[in-house]
Amino acid sequence: QKEVEQNSGPLSVPEGAIASLNCTYSDRGSQSFFWYRQYSGKSPELIMFIYSNGDKEDGRFTAQLNKASQYVSLLIRDSQPSDSATYLCAVTHSLNNDYKLSFGAGTTVTVRA
Amino acid sequence: DGGITQSPKYLFRKEGQNVTLSCEQNLNHDAMYWYRQDPGQGLRLIYYSQIVNDFQKGDIAEGYSVSREKKESFPLTVTSAQKNPTAFYLCASSIHPRQEQFFGPGTRLTVL
Repeated sequence: QKEVEQNSGPLSVPEGAIASLNCTYSDRGSQSFFWYRQYSGKSPELIMFIYSNGDKEDGRFTAQLNKASQYVSLLIRDSQPSDSATYLCAVTHSLNNDYKLSFGAGTTVTVRA
Repeated sequence: DGGITQSPKYLFRKEGQNVTLSCEQNLNHDAMYWYRQDPGQGLRLIYYSQIVNDFQKGDIAEGYSVSREKKESFPLTVTSAQKNPTAFYLCASSIHPRQEQFFGPGTRLTVL
């Protein structure tokens, strides 16, 4: 079982709609959760992080964490063509004070104008 | 400007050659990381360092080596023992291993 799983997509949404991205993780002891955006040919860029159960909003982005279900999601409201990218879910887990960040394979989002 | 720099941006290597990829950060971050990304795949951890003069193997360390002699620098050597080195290599750093990582622009390595 992969440590972090995402639907690969592509996820196609019309401009102005909500894009919903999902991520599940296998380590119940995971502590920190991140969403990165990666444009084609570029390096990942951090857009959200969340540590506690519930919702966290930042502009048009909302991250949702449910540790009981081992599930983290990202909502993009009022999607714009510039949101077209691959979104990577990343999860930190630790063993004996050694922390590692595991990445999902990413969900590709295309926003149709 | 604070940030992470990687050089070169593109690198071509003949089979059997070792190459070294540079990663420098001026963010005063303790932890640094090297990842590899192949087309359509997520990032895989090669090596990481949580403190100067100490580093650990990641999930795919075979055929790679690193050093961490200075806080700002974490170079990666891709040796001839790495069977399939063509990939996009990403360096990252974080102020603490539990916290968010920030990425450099990456080096695209092609073996000819």
